[in-house]
Amino acid sequence: EVQVLESGGGLVQPGGSLRLSCAASGFTFSTYAMSWVRQAPGKGLEWVSDISGSGDSTNYAQSVKGRFTISRDNSENMLNLQMNSLRAEDTAVYHCAKKGCTGTTCYLNYWGQGTLVTVSS
Amino acid sequence: DIVMTQSPDSLAVSLGERATFNCKSSQSVLYSDNNKNYLAWYQQKPGQPPKLLIYWASTRESGVPDRFSGSGSGTDFTLTISSLQAEDVAVYYCHQYYNTPHTFGQGTKLEI
Repeated sequence: EVQVLESGGGLVQPGGSLRLSCAASGFTFSTYAMSWVRQAPGKGLEWVSDISGSGDSTNYAQSVKGRFTISRDNSENMLNLQMNSLRAEDTAVYHCAKKGCTGTTCYLNYWGQGTLVTVSS
Repeated sequence: DIVMTQSPDSLAVSLGERATFNCKSSQSVLYSDNNKNYLAWYQQKPGQPPKLLIYWASTRESGVPDRFSGSGSGTDFTLTISSLQAEDVAVYYCHQYYNTPHTFGQGTKLEI
């Protein structure tokens, strides 16, 4: 059974940093691209970033480019999101999601429950 | 960026009746080389993560009831629930993965 489980969320002050992690199981992790998608409280879905299966190709939303870094450890089946210079508008539930294909140009077929990031003083 | 616009914002349908959701993209998401539309539909129930229903605009994900179907091409897409069940109450999102940034529609809230 495919599972993705996020961790690392919490309350952080504006300008602070946080590192999210996503533990994956039930599939050959290195084969599939992965994404982070966020959802502000009561709002819709916003794609944040994705990474290829090998980790050598990454993409970012303009709103987080230069502040967030996506990475993966295929030996540990882990996906990470390093978030720096956090702003109030980054407050959201962050979902880790598995792509249905090997490339990044693909739909998201498994989503985690998400981890809440709150940026506030 | 490709803008995805869903209509209506909310929808009330009686049990057993048909529900239709619309999604329009600001530019075509049909890739001519493989004739595939890079469009997916998700269902999100309260307190749950989104669940994939349809991908490539019309391919039903494994395990999704056959009352859910997707259609359309290019810039105009439709998700249809042929006979509404109580458990279908949710918000439905369309998603283009044709190019980066991948974008979602604003969602359509389905009520009974």
